[in-house]
Amino acid sequence: QLQLQESGPGLVKPSETLSLTCTVSGGSSSSSSYYWGWIRQPPGKGLEWIGSIYYTRSTYYNPSLKSRVIISVDTSKNQFSLKVNSVTAADTAVYYCSSLPMVRGVLITAADSWGQGTLVTVSS
Amino acid sequence: QTVVTQEPSFSVSPGGTVTLTCGFSSGSVSTNNYPSWYQQTPGLAPRTLIYSTNTRSSGVPDRFSGSILGNKAALTITGAQADDESDYYCVLYMGSGIWMFGGGTKLTVL
Repeated sequence: QLQLQESGPGLVKPSETLSLTCTVSGGSSSSSSYYWGWIRQPPGKGLEWIGSIYYTRSTYYNPSLKSRVIISVDTSKNQFSLKVNSVTAADTAVYYCSSLPMVRGVLITAADSWGQGTLVTVSS
Repeated sequence: QTVVTQEPSFSVSPGGTVTLTCGFSSGSVSTNNYPSWYQQTPGLAPRTLIYSTNTRSSGVPDRFSGSILGNKAALTITGAQADDESDYYCVLYMGSGIWMFGGGTKLTVL
């Protein structure tokens, strides 16, 4: 069974870059059966889909975040990563990584397996 | 801009049945939107309940079922239990690889 684990700094200064990594176990980030994604949740608020990536490096991004977000994959380390540039307090959230399974080449959900989440606070 | 809508809150009696819905602010939800449902208790990561409209995720009891009702996706919980008290989120496929979450429904069992 897939297991995902987020890692990265819990505190980022305004205007700097937020960087997180998700390590995949129980499966391979080079699998053709999954996209890999990021979702966030500001304190006390709902879930927001950030984006996803395939092992081929094909990416999809939330249009509202696209200008500031980069998702990458490192199949040699079985990891994928998230960078959010020019952060503000509004980027303070719990960030989750997820797997997005594909069936016959079609994405069937935004998230199947979830990481436990990591809180990132943007503050000086 | 189209948004995904959910009831902000709902209540159900223990043992009762409740149906939560997930729609578009404009337009209809279909199976081509691959509706998924997630359950989240405070402080924990969401748990996947339903994907692709009506497929239960591994280990999810058959008290939880998904469907399309009219122009919305629906999550029905039968025989509600105290530990079903949670936040429930839906997500819909918008096309071009993009997904959008609803604002969530806070379910109270009382």
